[in-house]
Amino acid sequence: QITLKESGPAVVEPTQTLTLTCTFSGFSLNTRGAGVGWIRQPPGKALEWLALIYWDDDKRYSPSLKSRLTITKDTSKNQVVLTMTNMDPVDTGTYYCAHQAQMGYYYMDVWGKGTTVTVSS
Amino acid sequence: DIQMTQSPSTLSASVGDRVSITCRASQSISNWLAWYQQKPGKAPRLLIYKASTLESGVPSRFSGSGSGTEFTLTISSLQPDDYATYYCQQYNTYSSFGPGTKMDI
Repeated sequence: QITLKESGPAVVEPTQTLTLTCTFSGFSLNTRGAGVGWIRQPPGKALEWLALIYWDDDKRYSPSLKSRLTITKDTSKNQVVLTMTNMDPVDTGTYYCAHQAQMGYYYMDVWGKGTTVTVSS
Repeated sequence: DIQMTQSPSTLSASVGDRVSITCRASQSISNWLAWYQQKPGKAPRLLIYKASTLESGVPSRFSGSGSGTEFTLTISSLQPDDYATYYCQQYNTYSSFGPGTKMDI
């Protein structure tokens, strides 16, 4: 059974860097074809795809946020880390990590419960 | 960027109704489209991928169709558990989601 869990600060000040960790089980990011992605959702608004990392350390980023995002993995800990720089109140929302359903395709079949981030001074 | 739109934004329906939601892409995405269901305070749940393939464990009353730029999610007989918000997602070029359709009683 695949599970994922997000963790990180609940509150971040404007201009700070956000670091979120996704801890997963039930699969390995050493396995060919595996991938983990991040998606966020502002309160009451739609989902926004952010980034994805593959088993071979290939990375994909949302073009509109690419300059602010970094995704990394620690396969020994079964973790994926997302950092987002220069946080702004518009970045407030719920951040989800999720398991890539099929190699090469950005749809996700198992999601974490999400972690809520508020950007405020 | 590929822009996704959904209609209607809100859908009022009764238990037992057949309902459909439309998703449109700003350019052709072939059949690289997924549908998700999201309930308040919960993570999205994958329903359909590749426009019409039902995810394992999803009830057969859900179905998807379409290709190119226009897609439809249909629920053949609405059940109480189906009241939620539904999102489409294109994954032809990176990924983008539609704005959502809220199913109301």
